[in-house]
Amino acid sequence: EAQVTQNPRYLITVTGKKLTVTCSQNMNHEYMSWYRQDPGLGLRQIYYSMNVEVTDKGDVPEGYKVSRKEKRNFPLILESPSPNQTSLYFCASSLQVGPTYEQYFGPGTRLTVT
Amino acid sequence: GDSVTQMEGPVTLSEEAFLTINCTYTATGYPSLFWYVQYPGEGLQLLLKATKADDKGSNKGFEATYRKETTSFHLEKGSVQVSDSAVYFCALSDPARGTSYGKLTFGQGTILTVHP
Repeated sequence: EAQVTQNPRYLITVTGKKLTVTCSQNMNHEYMSWYRQDPGLGLRQIYYSMNVEVTDKGDVPEGYKVSRKEKRNFPLILESPSPNQTSLYFCASSLQVGPTYEQYFGPGTRLTVT
Repeated sequence: GDSVTQMEGPVTLSEEAFLTINCTYTATGYPSLFWYVQYPGEGLQLLLKATKADDKGSNKGFEATYRKETTSFHLEKGSVQVSDSAVYFCALSDPARGTSYGKLTFGQGTILTVHP
């Protein structure tokens, strides 16, 4: 089954404790992204990756890092989490279909930073 | 910059009622437009899309028409069901943003609840 998986699905942590949220896709997509979802703001892009070892900032990259060492994996790293990073996080991979790209989303990771 | 504005929610309807969720956008270039749906506890799923003016996207009884003159992409369904209860997001992808590889700009989402 074609899918994007994320782990963990739920995470409660404390300020300053480094964490990693993993993302993996089995569709051989070149392009992957991370978004955060906050009430009243919709989803906002954090980082994206065009291919292995190629990443770039989205709209809200502060406080986050990413890496793309393999095509299928795109982990999100919070080196020193803060309470304002409490949010619902989605990983997505995208495929070009005609003139546009269609994005496939993972199930989400709910992060709480206390 | 690009932006998407959706009607305020939440929206509460009775089963078989008519649904409209308004969506307007601003974009630098000629965007593609999307509606995504998020069921409780799940990720977002593409509901429908349109890539040029006057295109109508449709899926599962939902429809939306790309109106360039009014910069709108309103979502409609003639008869909603309880199973349509979800959060609906309007979004755009703007090719004028260069190599963004389909980056989506989202509206704030509209919560729809359908009662039996």
